[in-house]
Amino acid sequence: QAVVTQEPSLTVSPGGTVTLTCGSSTGAVTSGHYPYWFQQKPGQAPRTLIYDTTTRHSWTPARFSGSLLGDKAALTLSGAQPEDEATYYCFLSYTGARAFGGGTKLTVL
Amino acid sequence: QGQLVESGGGVVQPGRSLRLSCAASGFSFKDCGMHWVRQAPGKGLEWVAVIWYDGNNKYYVDSVKGRFSVSRDNSKQMLYLQMNNLRVEDTGVYYCGSERRGYRDYWGQGTRVTVSS
Repeated sequence: QAVVTQEPSLTVSPGGTVTLTCGSSTGAVTSGHYPYWFQQKPGQAPRTLIYDTTTRHSWTPARFSGSLLGDKAALTLSGAQPEDEATYYCFLSYTGARAFGGGTKLTVL
Repeated sequence: QGQLVESGGGVVQPGRSLRLSCAASGFSFKDCGMHWVRQAPGKGLEWVAVIWYDGNNKYYVDSVKGRFSVSRDNSKQMLYLQMNNLRVEDTGVYYCGSERRGYRDYWGQGTRVTVSS
């Protein structure tokens, strides 16, 4: 089964911009993988921020945006806030199966 | 407002069975593919299984093939995960979630499964 890759950790300054990426062992990530991005804070259930590559949930702050960047899916955070410190997971769809990335632990410091 | 509520978790010995349930409400369950996802203690999210909206297609992560079985009852708006021959490494929180292209998804708060002797 496919392996989904993410940066293990990233750090961003308050108010800064950071891009998290999501790659696939099968090749380029496309809109046909319907990339999702989940946010999880310690002790909480994960919640979806972005689905179908670019669509925000009603609760997703506008500072989060999803896109395709080169051969990967990307989650860009513009204007980081302390409350954005969390682990972010990418989720891709394949023919039949699905897979999560290992998660990116984002520190706002 | 849509909601998913998991139940059926607990403590079970290795080799035994457990059935998880997921009750859906407030959205068009019959039109959604449904997932089970799990998270071992201190680990990341792992996709476990998906079942198509009509129940005709099911897919599993390799580590549970032959042991777990996903099913659904659209008339009751229920999703199930039958887990047989449980292993210590199946321990974790199990979440159910919906998927429908072009529509928002829903996820539950999870149910905890502990496999231990």
